[in-house]
Amino acid sequence: NAGVTQTPKFQVLKTGQSMTLQCAQDMNHNSMYWYRQDPGMGLRLIYYSASEGTTDKGEVPNGYNVSRLNKREFSLRLESAAPSQTSVYFCASSETGTASNYGYTFGSGTRLTVV
Amino acid sequence: KNEVEQSPQNLTAQEGEFITINCSYSVGISALHWLQQHPGGGIVSLFMLSSGKKKHGRLIATINIQEKHSSLHITASHPRDSAVYICAVRITQGAQKLVFGQGTRLTINP
Repeated sequence: NAGVTQTPKFQVLKTGQSMTLQCAQDMNHNSMYWYRQDPGMGLRLIYYSASEGTTDKGEVPNGYNVSRLNKREFSLRLESAAPSQTSVYFCASSETGTASNYGYTFGSGTRLTVV
Repeated sequence: KNEVEQSPQNLTAQEGEFITINCSYSVGISALHWLQQHPGGGIVSLFMLSSGKKKHGRLIATINIQEKHSSLHITASHPRDSAVYICAVRITQGAQKLVFGQGTRLTINP
């Protein structure tokens, strides 16, 4: 089925450990995004990639790095996990085009707990 | 003040009722999205609007660009409509990013 695939779905890390969240889309979208969702707050953008080979910081990039490996894949890395990074992470993709002609597709989310 | 405000934050209604969720924003936008997040956590895009009105089944979304306001309506509500509904706007400044509201938690009782 077409869509955005995120792995893993759940992860528990100890403070200081590193991990990479994987995201792949098969809709040939140019743009990909990583968001985090915390209780009582809206989704916040961590990093995005407008096209293959480019990445840019969002609202809350500190403590994260990303790689746009190719057009399909966009990974998010936590180099040294902190309890403040406990959150639900969503990957999303969208077409690039005129302002009102595209929508978003979201992955199913990764629930990360840092202890 | 958040750039995107939704109201109400929580809404409980009986099956069959007409539901309205509101979204106001304070920035220039090129499009507005309504998203649905079910208790399992997945997020689904319902509508993308830049003007006027869209309808899909029992869901209707409207937007008034001059007033910077959008509404999501659900007719003949059903318990399966219970979810968090999220408004998000694509701002006109800068690259392609969405700014999200905090969501409205809707519960439809049978």
